[in-house]
Order: sequence, then C-alpha cells, then structure tokens
Amino acid sequence: DVKVTQSSRYLVKRTGEKVFLECVQDMDHENMFWYRQDPGLGLRLIYFSYDVKMKEKGDIPEGYSVSREKKERFSLILESASTNQTSMYLCASSSLTGSNQPQHFGDGTRLSIL
Amino acid sequence: AQTVTQSQPEMSVQEAETVTLSCTYDTSENNYYLFWYKQPPSRQMILVIRQEAYKQQNATENRFSVNFQKAAKSFSLKISDSQLGDTAMYFCAFMKQQGGSEKLVFGKGTKLTVNP
Repeated sequence: DVKVTQSSRYLVKRTGEKVFLECVQDMDHENMFWYRQDPGLGLRLIYFSYDVKMKEKGDIPEGYSVSREKKERFSLILESASTNQTSMYLCASSSLTGSNQPQHFGDGTRLSIL
Repeated sequence: AQTVTQSQPEMSVQEAETVTLSCTYDTSENNYYLFWYKQPPSRQMILVIRQEAYKQQNATENRFSVNFQKAAKSFSLKISDSQLGDTAMYFCAFMKQQGGSEKLVFGKGTKLTVNP
C-alpha cells in the first residue's frame, strides 16, 4: 500500500530558527511535492521535485528551500522561521510524468512558529 | 493561469441524503485531468475520484460521481446516500504541466458535515 511518511505531526519552533521538515515515500515515486494548507486558502504548492537533486519552485517558494538527495526523501527547509510560516505542511508524491497519476499525501505536519 | 473555484465554503447534509459540491475551473488547455480529494478531520488527504477531460462519460466510484461539463468548465461532485464518515474537507483540483512534472492546482475547499 502507498505510504508517505512525514517525520512529525506537530512541531513548535521559535522565530529565526532553521527548521527541517522531512518526508519519505516508499513507492519509488519520481515526483514529490510540498504544500502548505491554510484555512480559506486551500493547498498552495511551495516546491516540487521530479527527480533526485532536481527541484522547481511552486507558487509560494519565498522563505523556503528544499533538498532531495535520495529518491525516497524530500526535505523542506525554513531557513529562518517566521510567524507567518505557522501552518499545516503536507508532503505528497506521485509516479511518472505523463501518466497523470494522482498524488498520495502524508498525514501533515502542523508547524507553529512562536 | 489555471484557477479552481469552489464557491461553497461549507455545506451540510443529513445522513442518507444526496449532496452536490460545486467546482469550476479556468484553463485554455484541451487535455487535462480533474480530481476530487477528501481530507477527514485530522486525517490524511485521499483521492476520491478523477476525470480525464477527453472522456465524455462521467466518472463514478461507488457512492461518488461527478458531473463534468467541459464547455462550462464545471466539475461537481455528487455524494449519494451520505454517511457520517463522509464528513471532511473536499478539495477540487486541476492537473497541469509545469517544467518536467505535473502539478495540481487546488480550490480552497468545501467543508462538508453529515448530520445524523
């Protein structure tokens, strides 16, 4: 069965800290995605990756970076956390481009920046 | 740019009744895919149903069906015989190509409550 695992369900950090959110998938998917979900705004794409060491900006990349050193792992990095980055973060993965396969989501990480 | 609009922020329905969630989108593309995702409270987002734009026949998955009107750019979700477990946020999404991958554009969601 498809499995996307996010390292933390809840996380509390302080302003200015460097924050790492980790995501691992066990389906050998090429594509991986990071979204943030805010009430009334739906899901907005931060970054995505379609191959190891490849990354592309989504709709709201400012203040974030990503790392994909291995196919199964996609990390989201908040270089210097700010209170407006308090949100729910969702990781997703999908198989090959061109196959129009649905994305599979993790449980989410609810991040609070104090 | 593609946009997805869900005009109903919240809806409620009585158990066993039928409810329809609306979704409209804007695109200049001819071939694309549309999805409905469900996010139960504090639980994982899961795929409910998908529709290929080149197919005229509406997709159906058990109690879930869509009414896809390509000319009107409308993609509504009908839930028949609603169950308490259908209580969730429902997101409509459009799949588009960007760079070397396909990305989803989501609507803002509809919060559905099924009442006993």
